[in-house]
This record gives sequence, C-alpha cells and structure tokens, in this order.
Amino acid sequence: DTAVSQTPKYLVTQMGNDKSIKCEQNLGHDTMYWYKQDSKKFLKIMFSYNNKELIINETVPNRFSPKSPDKAHLNLHINSLELGDSAVYFCASSLGQVGNEAFFGQGTRLTVV
Amino acid sequence: RKEVEQDPGPFNVPEGATVAFNCTYSNSASQSFFWYRQDCRKEPKLLMSVYSSGNEDGRFTAQLNRASQYISLLIRDSKLSDSATYLCVVHTGGFKTIFGAGTRLFVKA
Repeated sequence: DTAVSQTPKYLVTQMGNDKSIKCEQNLGHDTMYWYKQDSKKFLKIMFSYNNKELIINETVPNRFSPKSPDKAHLNLHINSLELGDSAVYFCASSLGQVGNEAFFGQGTRLTVV
Repeated sequence: RKEVEQDPGPFNVPEGATVAFNCTYSNSASQSFFWYRQDCRKEPKLLMSVYSSGNEDGRFTAQLNRASQYISLLIRDSKLSDSATYLCVVHTGGFKTIFGAGTRLFVKA
C-alpha cells in the first residue's frame, strides 16, 4: 500500500494549458510538501503545509497554487504552463517539523511542449 | 553562497572501495542533518540521520562538524547497488528543509 501517492506519473501538455497534480498520503502525517527537481537534478522546495495551513511558500510564480483540502491531501495546480515548468514534481510528507524523515511520492514528470 | 553545497561528482569507484562525500551548509543555526539516496528516476529516500556524535549503519558512517559546518558520508566496501545520487539535507528550523544538489556515485565491477 503506497504511503505517498501522486498522480499522474507522467504529464505532457502544451504551453498555456492549466494542469493539476494530486497527492495523497496515508501515513497520518501532518506536514506535506511540494518539491521541484529540474533538469540539473536540483531538488527545491516549493510549498509546505502543516495541518492544512500554508507555512512555506518559496519564490514560486503565482501560476502555481497549492490546495490542501485535508491533512492527507496536497494538490498542485499550475496555470498557463510554460516551457520552463518542465521538471519532476515530488510530493512529500512528514510528521511534525524538524528532524523527522520525509517520505516522497514517486514523482510526476511534467513536460511542457 | 548556496545554503547547502555538495560536490556533484560523479565519483567512479570500483567495488570494494571506500568513498567519502562532504557537504557544507551556510546557516550556523541549522538543527538537523540527513543523507538521502536517490536512484535514477526514483524518489529520494532517507539513508540515515546525522547526529552530533556521528553514527554508523553497517557500511555507512555519517559525521557532523558544526564548527566547520559540514557533514560527511563514508561508504565502505562499496557495492554495485550503492550506485545512486546522495543528497545532503539540512533542516534550518521550523519546517524548512534544504536539499543539496546531490553527489552522483557510480560503483563499477
């Protein structure tokens, strides 16, 4: 039974489109994250939610909007997709804050053409 | 200066070799440190936490040097299956986690 699952695994779309990536965790964690891993493999945090509240919002274009309907879900909606948005997006969760292991989903490989 | 810096490698070593990676961090108030492993086209997974006193897990040893602000990972008796990217991870406080860019390791037969 997958601990952190995200869908879809692959997403190919045209510039200008709007798309969403869904994430769910069944670990009972209270903190969830979105990370972006670009072509250089650098993994960078985008957002972090704790108990459905946004606590970290790094410098991310406002075309990216996370939504957390409950503690177990954190979805990512992207408007007006651009070529530079092509990357692998990882959802992750952890219990609490500092010092606890983060569990990652399998990633969503987004390609904007 | 980047918040977390790693030598990107790649490190190419033969089976059985000992290899060490270093990672430096800029925020002296950083609280927790980890090594994650990421296989090609897979998600990162926790390899081990790094404690002030140093810790060992089988062939892997992690150490922390707060004075010089770096952490290290030592892998002894390298196996082919150790080939992966090793990510240095630093918690700077609260919910902020910084990942290094990773060090690629290739272990050859």
